[in-house]
Amino acid sequence: GAGVSQSPSNKVTEKGKDVELRCDPISGHTALYWYRQRLGQGLEFLIYFQGNSAPDKSGLPSDRFSAERTGESVSTLTIQRTQQEDSAVYLCASSFFHSTGASRYTFGSGTRLTVV
Amino acid sequence: LAKTTQPISMDSYEGQEVNITCSHNNIATNDYITWYQQFPSQGPRFIIQGYKTKVTNEVASLFIPADRKSSTLSLPRVSLSDTAVYYCLVGEGTGGFKTIFGAGTRLFVKA
Repeated sequence: GAGVSQSPSNKVTEKGKDVELRCDPISGHTALYWYRQRLGQGLEFLIYFQGNSAPDKSGLPSDRFSAERTGESVSTLTIQRTQQEDSAVYLCASSFFHSTGASRYTFGSGTRLTVV
Repeated sequence: LAKTTQPISMDSYEGQEVNITCSHNNIATNDYITWYQQFPSQGPRFIIQGYKTKVTNEVASLFIPADRKSSTLSLPRVSLSDTAVYYCLVGEGTGGFKTIFGAGTRLFVKA
């Protein structure tokens, strides 16, 4: 597609429920990233996928968080047993792979998750 | 992993030039410097990227001194619509691109 698409744009869930967030990256972008952004704060790295390599999960805050990616396409971020502190905007970005630090990310508009 | 330091906030007036400086003392040889802009309720948007010296595009200029331990984003003649958060990033040049976004600089442009 023309840009990175995320769905849903907004999600309100009850504490303890599981949620699944979806990201459709730009076609041809082999790298995909998930970030979390709490209100008024910067972006926290969560997870990084590059092609068929094992994902870098070092940013996932707890074992309630997991993410998958099918090949070089869609990714889903799953949060189990949601807590109120999980309330945030979850941003997905994709890029071409560069062997140097010259990546340029294209971000989606994010999913605003509210846990009540 | 190169860490960046930038001012938390800046104020300016319409029509002025704004310069935001970012420090990245442990930048690696292969690292590029990239700036993003974020408006409320949107994801960050790429502005400009450079390796050394000066880069200019239709939106901004990026000045990088020879030692590359800092960089300055220059926005000419800002308008109210330039009010946003600006992030300075330094890419991890080893192939793992777990780029770290700091808190950014919140620019507020006044009329």
